[in-house]
Amino acid sequence: SYVLTQPPSVSVAPGQTARITCGGNNIGSKSVHWYQQKPGQAPVLVVYDDSDRPSGIPERFSGSNSGNTATLTISRVEAGDEADYYCQVWDSSSDHPHVVFGGGTKLTVL
Amino acid sequence: QVTLRESGPALVKPTQTLTLTCTFSGFSLSTSGMCVSWIRQPPGKALEWLALIDWDDDKYYSTSLKTRLTISKDTSKNQVVLTMTNMDPVDTATYYCARGTRSSYDNGYYFDYWGQGTLVTVSS
Repeated sequence: SYVLTQPPSVSVAPGQTARITCGGNNIGSKSVHWYQQKPGQAPVLVVYDDSDRPSGIPERFSGSNSGNTATLTISRVEAGDEADYYCQVWDSSSDHPHVVFGGGTKLTVL
Repeated sequence: QVTLRESGPALVKPTQTLTLTCTFSGFSLSTSGMCVSWIRQPPGKALEWLALIDWDDDKYYSTSLKTRLTISKDTSKNQVVLTMTNMDPVDTATYYCARGTRSSYDNGYYFDYWGQGTLVTVSS
């Protein structure tokens, strides 16, 4: 079964850049999607297809994907970006394709 | 405007079967490239994908839970139903339904609209 590995936590000062990684075997061959979840709220899609942003998501959110690591980058971090972030892929490597989520990363704004 | 809303019991007893309904609007599940999925989140824990049904009535299930799950759709009612048998206290979680859109690069989906979730507690 395909596994996505995220660091449990990332801390960054306001105005700095946060990078949240998502590791997986040859993840660069898959399309990676990222979600932001604030306490008590449903997840929100912030990046899809590695690097595209849904309408309404600030340009400060960007994504990249290569080799065994995908990265969500948040530039000029604001207090309101403090949340849990999850990566997600579709694993079609077996007879039973399925969705895989990473374990989540808690972003703390210092 | 796309909306999804989960409904079902807030409390179930161990060994019972859980039935959850996702009622959606603003899109049709008969549109190519669309799906509806169920995802859950135990308190304080990560998201866990459960099941997905697409516009072509293809169904996909979590490998670890597939023996307990059944997903179905009623396109005319704009509803997707998930049943989970043999409920256990470890199944206590917030259950979300979400709309999925097919990725441009693989045959997978990403979830661009989510319901607000419904908390299901399993306890005797």
